[in-house]
Amino acid sequence: LAKTTQPISMDSYEGQEVNITCSHNNIATNDYITWYQQFPSQGPRFIIQGYKTKVTNEVASLFIPADRKSSTLSLPRVSLSDTAVYYCLVGDRNTDKLIFGTGTRLQVFP
Amino acid sequence: DAGVTQSPTHLIKTRGQHVTLRCSPISGHKSVSWYQQVLGQGPQFIFQYYEKEERGRGNFPDRFSARQFPNYSSELNVNALLLGDSALYLCASSYRRSEQYFGPGTRLTVT
Repeated sequence: LAKTTQPISMDSYEGQEVNITCSHNNIATNDYITWYQQFPSQGPRFIIQGYKTKVTNEVASLFIPADRKSSTLSLPRVSLSDTAVYYCLVGDRNTDKLIFGTGTRLQVFP
Repeated sequence: DAGVTQSPTHLIKTRGQHVTLRCSPISGHKSVSWYQQVLGQGPQFIFQYYEKEERGRGNFPDRFSARQFPNYSSELNVNALLLGDSALYLCASSYRRSEQYFGPGTRLTVT
């Protein structure tokens, strides 16, 4: 299976904007890109989903370049409660299976 | 609306035993997927079911099996438990394949 990679960890301070990138160079043509937030011992929580260009909702923005081989989750003005692990989820072109990224542990400091 | 529900919340089993985990999807969702998440790692895909048929299977041994019922709820069965099966088992339901909504998970500990 092709790897879907993310930075292992990121640190930020409250009020800052955080951008987390996922590299998925073997993404399936027809699948959307989805991002999740996960707290310890809980199920992943849906944040945002997109197919191309830019998508924005009340909590985040998602930027997807034309080749769709990467995506960037943008969290505006993070707070302490945003400390969590963030995963991207994409379909693999070869296996047609959904694959989670390696996950990014975000730590927000006061 | 109720989200995805899973039962039990926690479970402790002994090596060699069998376990059954249950999942109820969000109303209107016909697809259920199962994932295994070992501590410190991302979720790994086990199965996907849609309209009671298996639509995908991850790289897991035949000790793992699942089924989906007419009401779209699902069971995951694991036979001959090994210590390495200790994990958080996640169920997700979806209306569209890549927009999956996850339950709280079942924490399985094998001793």
